[in-house]
Parts: sequence; structure tokens; C-alpha cells
Amino acid sequence: DAGVIQSPRHEVTEMGQEVTLRCKPISGHNSLFWYRQTMMRGLELLIYFNNNVPIDDSGMPEDRFSAKMPNASFSTLKIQPSEPRDSAVYFCASRPQRGSYEQYFGPGTRLTVT
Amino acid sequence: GENVEQHPSTLSVQEGDSAVIKCTYSDSASNYFPWYKQELGKGPQLIIDIRSNVGEKKDQRIAVTLNKTAKHFSLHITETQPEDSAVYFCAGMNTDKLIFGTGTRLQVFP
Repeated sequence: DAGVIQSPRHEVTEMGQEVTLRCKPISGHNSLFWYRQTMMRGLELLIYFNNNVPIDDSGMPEDRFSAKMPNASFSTLKIQPSEPRDSAVYFCASRPQRGSYEQYFGPGTRLTVT
Repeated sequence: GENVEQHPSTLSVQEGDSAVIKCTYSDSASNYFPWYKQELGKGPQLIIDIRSNVGEKKDQRIAVTLNKTAKHFSLHITETQPEDSAVYFCAGMNTDKLIFGTGTRLQVFP
């Protein structure tokens, strides 16, 4: 079975540019989570969706960050404009159904903003 | 909200020895505690988990114990192998969200 798929795997961009990260969850999974990992702050939950609906976005750092899930097989995390402090590894994870707890992570996107 | 603390931050063991990583949590309502293994350049991989109605769970060389009264849980790896070297994260779940510990870098020397 294919796991969670993320693209791109690496992204280097200049400050002020728009960045879009993409995620395809495991087929049949109903929940999707976006995390950010940095040395300073560890693994932080940014936002999560149940059945394509955003449930909790309290972890989104500021208005420059937005996330969408237009259908069950695709989600995007957008940063506009990007700043150097956004440099991190961004992970997407999916969960089978709301009654189960296990989350399965993708390989991540390493973002560098110069 | 939930707060999860993890110790130690680094752990070095000889191949074949056991390794123990400990975590404490703050919210007594938390009911699910997974452990993840993260290798360099990869995403966290779920290796074992435990729910609050269970005190211990074992899967081959790894086991997790939970003490609800003391609000702490531990990961035990026996007969460690070099391929066990990685960063391990514990987490607690509160209101549908996982709160992660700060990670333990485990090094197993041959």
C-alpha cells in the first residue's frame, strides 16, 4: 500500500515568495494533519481536517499560513509571503477514521526560505 | 492543555543491552499514547501505542508501560540492534490532537 505522499520533498525559496506544499493521504483515511518540525519547537500540529473539513487551526502560526482540503485525496499548505523563520520540515499525516487514533506520517517537505 | 515531557534527550547503549525512554504527561484526560521512531531524513513511524485502559503492551523487542496514577509511560527496547538507532518521540492525545515530547536520540553501538 502507498503511504502518505508529500511533494515536493525539498523546497528552497526566497523570502516573500509563495510556497505550496502538497499531501495525498492514505486512501480511505478520513483525517489529515499538518505538522511542522524544527529543532527549537519540535513537532507542532498546525491544522487538522476530518472528512475534508478543518477542525482545529489553532496551531497555524499566523495569517500567512493557510490550508485546504478540496477532496479526500488531496490537501495543500500554503505560505504567503514566506519568511526565513518558516524554514522547517513540514509533515502531513493521515488517520483511518475518527474512532481510531493511529496517525501515519509522510516523508515530509524540507522548506528553506533564504 | 496537555504537556508531554520526555527523558533522556540522548541515550547510548551497547548492542544487546536494553534501552528505556520515559515520558510524563499533564492532562489526566489523555487516553492514547503512541511512540514514534524517526530515522534521518524520514517521517516519524508509529512503532507501538497504548490506550489508557491498558497497563502494558508488547510487540517483539519493544514494550510500552503506562502508569495512569503517576501520569507517566515508558518505552522499553530489549536486545538493541544498531538499526534501532534513531530519534524516538512519545506523544499524548488530548481532544483528538497529539502532543509530542521533545525526542530521545538513541545510539546503539556495535
